[in-house]
Amino acid sequence: EAGVTQFPSHSVIEKGQTVTLRCDPISGHDNLYWYRRVMGKEIKFLLHFVKESKQDESGMPNNRFLAERTGGTYSTLKVQPAELEDSGVYFCASSQTSGGVGEQFFGPGTRLTVL
Amino acid sequence: AQSVTQLGSHVSVSEGALVLLRCNYSSSVPPYLFWYVQYPNQGLQLLLKYTSAATLVKGINGFEAEFKKSETSFHLTKPSAHMSDAAEYFCAVSTSGGYNKLIFGAGTRLAVHP
Repeated sequence: EAGVTQFPSHSVIEKGQTVTLRCDPISGHDNLYWYRRVMGKEIKFLLHFVKESKQDESGMPNNRFLAERTGGTYSTLKVQPAELEDSGVYFCASSQTSGGVGEQFFGPGTRLTVL
Repeated sequence: AQSVTQLGSHVSVSEGALVLLRCNYSSSVPPYLFWYVQYPNQGLQLLLKYTSAATLVKGINGFEAEFKKSETSFHLTKPSAHMSDAAEYFCAVSTSGGYNKLIFGAGTRLAVHP
């Protein structure tokens, strides 16, 4: 079974440009999460999808960030326009809706550098 | 509100020595607690989880953690470190079994030297 995949693995952009990160969850996982780790600090929650609906977006830093999950499969996170403080590693995770303890499975992350 | 504190951003041990990584949490409701490990260039992998069953939780790769409510702690231990244990370890808390957001500590980087 394929794990959570993220694309690209690295992205280097100039301040003011737009970047779109993609996450493909484990097949059949209705829950999809985005997290971010900035400058070696703690990993912080951004938002949570259940299928295509936003369940919790309390961690989104501002309106420059837009997350979508069309069709309840893969998700994109767009940053427009990017600022220097957006640099960091963006993680995606997914989990099943029911059964077990809802363990979140994480992707390898996308390292974003804004110059 | 929930929070996690990991004491020590870097821990160094000798191969074969005891590994002890400290985690203290704060939660207004009974917590679910997790330890994740991140090896270089990989995603976070779940080591173990506490979900209000047994207070001593055994995980993968010989790791275990003990939930101590009175101390609000969930320290991670391994009796004998291997070189392959070198990685970054994260403690996390949630109000659910993982369906809701995870609140992470800042991480502890473990170095194992010969």
